[in-house]
Amino acid sequence: EAGVTQFPSHSVIEKGQTVTLRCDPISGHDNLYWYRRVMGKEIKFLLHFVKESKQDESGMPNNRFLAERTGGTYSTLKVQPAELEDSGVYFCASSQIFRTGIQETQYFGPGTRLLVL
Amino acid sequence: LAKTTQPISMDSYEGQEVNITCSHNNIATNDYITWYQQFPSQGPRFIIQGYKTKVTNEVASLFIPADRKSSTLSLPRVSLSDTAVYYCLVGLYGGSQGNLIFGKGTKLSVKP
Repeated sequence: EAGVTQFPSHSVIEKGQTVTLRCDPISGHDNLYWYRRVMGKEIKFLLHFVKESKQDESGMPNNRFLAERTGGTYSTLKVQPAELEDSGVYFCASSQIFRTGIQETQYFGPGTRLLVL
Repeated sequence: LAKTTQPISMDSYEGQEVNITCSHNNIATNDYITWYQQFPSQGPRFIIQGYKTKVTNEVASLFIPADRKSSTLSLPRVSLSDTAVYYCLVGLYGGSQGNLIFGKGTKLSVKP
């Protein structure tokens, strides 16, 4: 079974440019999460999709970040315009739909390393 | 969600048993304890999860005392490939409460 994949693996852009990150979750996983780790900090939650709907976007830092999940399959995270402080590693994770009494396991992708110059 | 405290780093030699303890004094009744492992340049990977007493799988064991205010991840006979950062997470994960809260983790270095 294919795991969570992310594209690109690395991206270097200049301040003010736009970057779009993509995440392909494990097939059949309804939950999709975005996290990021900026330099020297902990991994922080950004947002959570259940299928195509945004369940929780409380971790999104500001309106320069836009996440979508068309058709409840893959997801994109767009940063526009990018700022220096957006540099970091962006992780995507997916899990099966929550069932009462079962604690879901989240499967993480390898991450996209973003550097804004 | 409960705050966790764990060692910043640990060193070990190949073949030793490694125990990493995590403190979570304000754990809630419904909270589970979950450990993730992260290798360099990879995303975190689920290792083990438990609620109370002891849980064992093919990778590790998780010991949880009766008061549940701490937990210990035990890695038997570590190898060089176990060098990674280990995260202890506490919370009720699932559905609308799905987001994981990561701390700084414990960086384990296994030496030959």
